[in-house]
Amino acid sequence: GENVEQHPSTLSVQEGDSAVIKCTYSDSASNYFPWYKQELGKRPQLIIDIRSNVGEKKDQRIAVTLNKTAKHFSLHITETQPEDSAVYFCAARLGGGADGLTFGKGTHLIIQP
Amino acid sequence: NAGVTQTPKFQVLKTGQSMTLQCAQDMNHEYMSWYRQDPGMGLRLIHYSVGAGITDQGEVPNGYNVSRSTTEDFPLRLLSAAPSQTSVYFCASSYVYNEQFFGPGTRLTVL
Repeated sequence: GENVEQHPSTLSVQEGDSAVIKCTYSDSASNYFPWYKQELGKRPQLIIDIRSNVGEKKDQRIAVTLNKTAKHFSLHITETQPEDSAVYFCAARLGGGADGLTFGKGTHLIIQP
Repeated sequence: NAGVTQTPKFQVLKTGQSMTLQCAQDMNHEYMSWYRQDPGMGLRLIHYSVGAGITDQGEVPNGYNVSRSTTEDFPLRLLSAAPSQTSVYFCASSYVYNEQFFGPGTRLTVL
């Protein structure tokens, strides 16, 4: 099955700086890579996703890059704000689309004022 | 639309008891799944379904049963609860190939 590694487990950045979270996956058949944000006690919510036919996708301050050859993808948050503090999860899904997501273990992002 | 709903929000069980966690969605999604979330472990897939009458196992299926008799509902049954099943359980639904929407979760404690 798929295996997703996520780093770092904790990331502390100054407000206004950028944050980068990295994930690697094992199965080259994976073709869908979402990122979820989870605030304490809440459900995971999708913030951005990318499919394997695209190398980069941006949505305002958030961007995701995908390197299929190296089997890794990254989340980039620019101009971080206090409300960005949360746990972020990357995930991967195998190509059939009928399989569930395999998640990384999460990154606790702390925005220092 | 209520989206994905789960009941109960909290539950405490004794070892050996059985119970059913309910999940429903009103978005006519074909795909539904159950995950468990443990500290430091991310979310792990328990079971999933691609439509009524079709279910399959995920990464951690032992100790859990599911069935899908309608498009809307996907209950998760714990047959004989064990302390290792203490966790937060999330149900999710989606159109196949698309974004998964998560329910609010059920926090289960097994004593």
